[in-house]
Amino acid sequence: DSGVTQTPKHLITATGQRVTLRCSPRSGDLSVYWYQQSLDQGLQFLIHYYNGEERAKGNILERFSAQQFPDLHSELNLSSLELGDSALYFCASSPRTGIRSNEQFFGPGTRLTVL
Amino acid sequence: SQQGEEDPQALSIQEGENATMNCSYKTSINNLQWYRQNSGRGLVHLILIRSNEREKHSGRLRVTLDTSKKSSSLLITASRAADTASYFCATAAYSGAGSYQLTFGKGTKLSVIP
Repeated sequence: DSGVTQTPKHLITATGQRVTLRCSPRSGDLSVYWYQQSLDQGLQFLIHYYNGEERAKGNILERFSAQQFPDLHSELNLSSLELGDSALYFCASSPRTGIRSNEQFFGPGTRLTVL
Repeated sequence: SQQGEEDPQALSIQEGENATMNCSYKTSINNLQWYRQNSGRGLVHLILIRSNEREKHSGRLRVTLDTSKKSSSLLITASRAADTASYFCATAAYSGAGSYQLTFGKGTKLSVIP
């Protein structure tokens, strides 16, 4: 158990819909990263938040957005869903400083299925 | 886009044998990390090697890094059935604003046969 929690575990929805995925980082971690894992694209970095501020963006579609709240949990919002958005979505957190600050601790993921 | 490319894509060995996986990357890095993923589950960090290091050990794991060849290898010695998983290398590069971005390869699927 990494200490990172994600809800829900599974999500099944229809094309055109909007969903929200939630992530709680490990206690004390200020950074939250979001990743998408699909069979064809592999594991893709989406976005990084640090203490409520967006720090880096990767291959995140305009239909997707994220935020990190004052209690440090984060939400990833996916809208106008398409079949190709079906994937595993992971969040990860990392320590603020110290020898393990480059290491990321991954949550169990949310499996999104778009029908 | 993928930065690290693992080789082989799949590897099947007998329990007790050693498993070697390789990773190549394209651009400058701050460090390189190896992660393990059991089927459909979250990734687990295994080991990190910094760009100024050449070799690192952790238990049955040995990682090497050759920055001149932009390549790394992960050796798992005396493999066990429980080592069956996918293994990913991830390169870390500074992307500004205090952020280190991890770029993952597509992974090597390791099967250890009891």
